[in-house]
Amino acid sequence: KAGVTQTPRYLIKTRGQQVTLSCSPISGHRSVSWYQQTPGQGLQFLFEYFSETQRNKGNFPGRFSGRQFSNSRSEMNVSTLELGDSALYLCASSLAAGGMGTEAFFGQGTRLTVV
Amino acid sequence: DAKTTQPPSMDCAEGRAANLPCNHSTISGNEYVYWYRQIHSQGPQYIIHGLKNNETNEMASLIITEDRKSSTLILPHATLRDTAVYYCIVRVDPRNTPLVFGKGTRLSVIA
Repeated sequence: KAGVTQTPRYLIKTRGQQVTLSCSPISGHRSVSWYQQTPGQGLQFLFEYFSETQRNKGNFPGRFSGRQFSNSRSEMNVSTLELGDSALYLCASSLAAGGMGTEAFFGQGTRLTVV
Repeated sequence: DAKTTQPPSMDCAEGRAANLPCNHSTISGNEYVYWYRQIHSQGPQYIIHGLKNNETNEMASLIITEDRKSSTLILPHATLRDTAVYYCIVRVDPRNTPLVFGKGTRLSVIA
């Protein structure tokens, strides 16, 4: 079956602009999580959505937001971009069921560069 | 904050077993141990997880000490493609809590 698909793969934006990243989870998965990866901070959790509701949120400013649609696809938005937002943004999907099946499957990521 | 301690790097000869240690001395009774790896420029990949019993799958084995304060991920026959950063994560209730990644161990498999 198809894996987690993230678009676009690469993006260059100017400081002050906003950006929207998209994630299509594995078919049947209802949970989508977003992570930011930078060389200095490593992999950091942004937020998680399950059935269109945000269930968990990491310690990021309000400029970072997300949403999930009824088909489980998710988008994250970053407004007023700063140079420090340059990072690899990763999306992960999971069944969010108890016991087995709770492993998360990650996409290839979107590499965002802010100039 | 990550609740685990891992060595920053390790080397392993190709074809030999790679044994990656993880210390989680403050683990609670209901926390699972998860292992993921990230090959350069790719998203992390799930390897294995366990609660208290040892686990084995097609990729690796997970050995958890009886007191659960540490664990070891074993790749039985390491190949060059196993070169990656390996993350050990403790996680309570996988259904409702996010993965918290530490710095992991950079494993280099050498020919």
